[in-house]
Amino acid sequence: EADIYQTPRYLVIGTGKKITLECSQTMGHDKMYWYQQDPGMELHLIHYSYGVNSTEKGDLSSESTVSRIRTEHFPLTLESARPSHTSQYLCASSEYRTGVEKLFFGSGTQLSVL
Amino acid sequence: QKEVEQDPGPLSVPEGAIVSLNCTYSNSAFQYFMWYRQYSRKGPELLMYTYSSGNKEDGRFTAQVDKSSKYISLFIRDSQPSDSATYLCAMRDNTDKLIFGTGTRLQVFP
Repeated sequence: EADIYQTPRYLVIGTGKKITLECSQTMGHDKMYWYQQDPGMELHLIHYSYGVNSTEKGDLSSESTVSRIRTEHFPLTLESARPSHTSQYLCASSEYRTGVEKLFFGSGTQLSVL
Repeated sequence: QKEVEQDPGPLSVPEGAIVSLNCTYSNSAFQYFMWYRQYSRKGPELLMYTYSSGNKEDGRFTAQVDKSSKYISLFIRDSQPSDSATYLCAMRDNTDKLIFGTGTRLQVFP
């Protein structure tokens, strides 16, 4: 079973605030991801990490930043939230099984910026 | 044009029906094909995966890949209300790039 946790589940915040979305996994996975999901749209990769001290930008341009100081922790930060950042943010970690990379997702953070 | 196309639905079927969910794609380099299931207010979970062409069966679920037509399918037999969810196809080539479809929302009513 997946042991990947995201907090908070829901966040409503005003424009200009700094926010950090937390993501932790207890599976010891090296690779972790942040995706953005909007209704009726495909998942868009915004950040990923191969392991400690590794962070990469994904396909979707994002004003957020990430850090990976510990294997189990991959927080995402928005320095100044805007209404355009309103979305569902999904964190995932992965492992390879029989040659296929399997992603384990958290339950997501639904962010609303007013 | 999107690399992966998936009908968003919703698809509403009675309990016991056979359900067919489909995706088409344009990138012939895709080799790994996956189906994720996402329940409401949850993250996606991997349901099935196949490599290259062919069929794969797991209980009531069958995944089918037709690389010549660039078309993949997920069949659900004897559908149950607990199968009500959004089903996302995902594909990967021989790099790390993973592309998701938009998802098809399925509703199975008793």
